Amino acid sequence: GQQLNQSPQSMFIQEGEDVSMNCTSSSIFNTWLWYKQDPGEGPVLLIALYKAGELTSNGRLTAQFGITRKDSFLNISASIPSDVGIYFCAGQSTDSWGKLQFGAGTQVVVTP
Amino acid sequence: GAVVSQHPSWVICKSGTSVKIECRSLDFQATTMFWYRQFPKQSLMLMATSNEGSKATYEQGVEKDKFLINHASLTLSTLTVTSAHPEDSSFYICSARGRGRLNQPQHFGDGTRLSIL
Repeated sequence: GQQLNQSPQSMFIQEGEDVSMNCTSSSIFNTWLWYKQDPGEGPVLLIALYKAGELTSNGRLTAQFGITRKDSFLNISASIPSDVGIYFCAGQSTDSWGKLQFGAGTQVVVTP
Repeated sequence: GAVVSQHPSWVICKSGTSVKIECRSLDFQATTMFWYRQFPKQSLMLMATSNEGSKATYEQGVEKDKFLINHASLTLSTLTVTSAHPEDSSFYICSARGRGRLNQPQHFGDGTRLSIL
C-alpha cells in the first residue's frame, strides 16, 4: 500500500517565526490536503491542492503540490500562538471512493 | 463552509454496551461518509466508507459485525459499536463529502470520545 511520511514530528518555535513541514509518498496522489486538528476536535481543512506544481496560499499559509505528485509542503509564516495544534497532510486518490491517507502529523508549539 | 455535526461528543459506558454515534451533514447532501478512529497522539485511521443506500466498505482488519454502519439518508450516517470493550475506547471521527468529483474535500465532524469501563 501507499506509504505517506510526514516530517517533522514536532516543532517548537517562537512567535513570529516561520514554520515548514512536508509529506512524501511512495506513490502518486491526485490531490493533497492539509488539515489542522486542535485537541478534542476534528480536523479542519486548511488548503486543498489539485494540480502538480500548484502553489496555493490561505492567509499566512502556503502549500505546494510537488511536481512528481509524491510530495507536498506547508509553510506558516509569522507564527502566532493560535497556530498551535497538530497539522496533518492527506493524500487522496480518485479511485476507491476518494479515500484519504493521512500523514502522522506535525505538532506545532508556539512560545511567546 | 460545510458543516458536519457529530453526536454525542463524549460517551462513557460499561463494557458490553452498544453505542451509537451519529454523523450529520447540516448544509449539504453527503453522498459519501467516512468513519475514522484516532488513538492518542496518533493519526486518523480509516475504518470504513459508506455511500447512501449502499452497504459500507470496511478497511482491512476492521470487523464489520463489531462496527455497524448505516448511511440511511444523504445527511445522516451512524456508527454503532456493538458489545463495546475497553479496547474499543478511542476517538471516533466522521467526515462527509458532497456530490460531484471524488476529489472534493472531506469535511470532518468534531469527533466522539468513547470510553468503555
